Amino acid sequence: SQKIEQNSEALNIQEGKTATLTCNYTNYSPAYLQWYRQDPGRGPVFLLLIRENEKEKRKERLKVTFDTTLKQSLFHITASQPADSATYLCALGRNNDMRFGAGTRLTVKP
Amino acid sequence: DGGITQSPKYLFRKEGQNVTLSCEQNLNHDAMYWYRQDPGQGLRLIYYSQIVNDFQKGDIAEGYSVSREKKESFPLTVTSAQKNPTAFYLCASSGTTPMGYTFGSGTRLTVV
Repeated sequence: SQKIEQNSEALNIQEGKTATLTCNYTNYSPAYLQWYRQDPGRGPVFLLLIRENEKEKRKERLKVTFDTTLKQSLFHITASQPADSATYLCALGRNNDMRFGAGTRLTVKP
Repeated sequence: DGGITQSPKYLFRKEGQNVTLSCEQNLNHDAMYWYRQDPGQGLRLIYYSQIVNDFQKGDIAEGYSVSREKKESFPLTVTSAQKNPTAFYLCASSGTTPMGYTFGSGTRLTVV
């Protein structure tokens, strides 16, 4: 069965450092991958989309990589700030089928 | 501003009762979705609709029902057949695939 694993339930880093979150998947061939941010008690907010034929995407302090051979995506937040503290979800999709990971809770300490 | 509105934010259900969660969007999106979120688990798809008057079951449709009579609205009914309904319910919409989903702020349903 399809499986999506996000590296850990929680990640703690110091302000100013780069946060790296991992999304691994098995038994699935996504055409695209998305990353979302979710704050407690709120709905997820879309951040970035990367297609299967793209290696890397950037948006301001965010960078996403997508390796279809390793079946892995890395999500980087550079120069992290306490305001970046949230849960980050990866989602894999093909046509109208979208699968979400359980998320990684990131805490950036001042 | 365009967006998705879910109501109510909190809902309490008694045993054996049906409850309906509201979801309205003004983004002119064709597709709408209902997800359930439980602690430590990814979002699980309950139902989705790609056009008005048409909808499909997701992975965990048992005990739920939906309707899509208008493009803007996609209400979810949690029936008494759903044995473990306590969860955080999220509604989302999207335009032409692939694009990011726009989520509502969620409804937290608790059985009392």
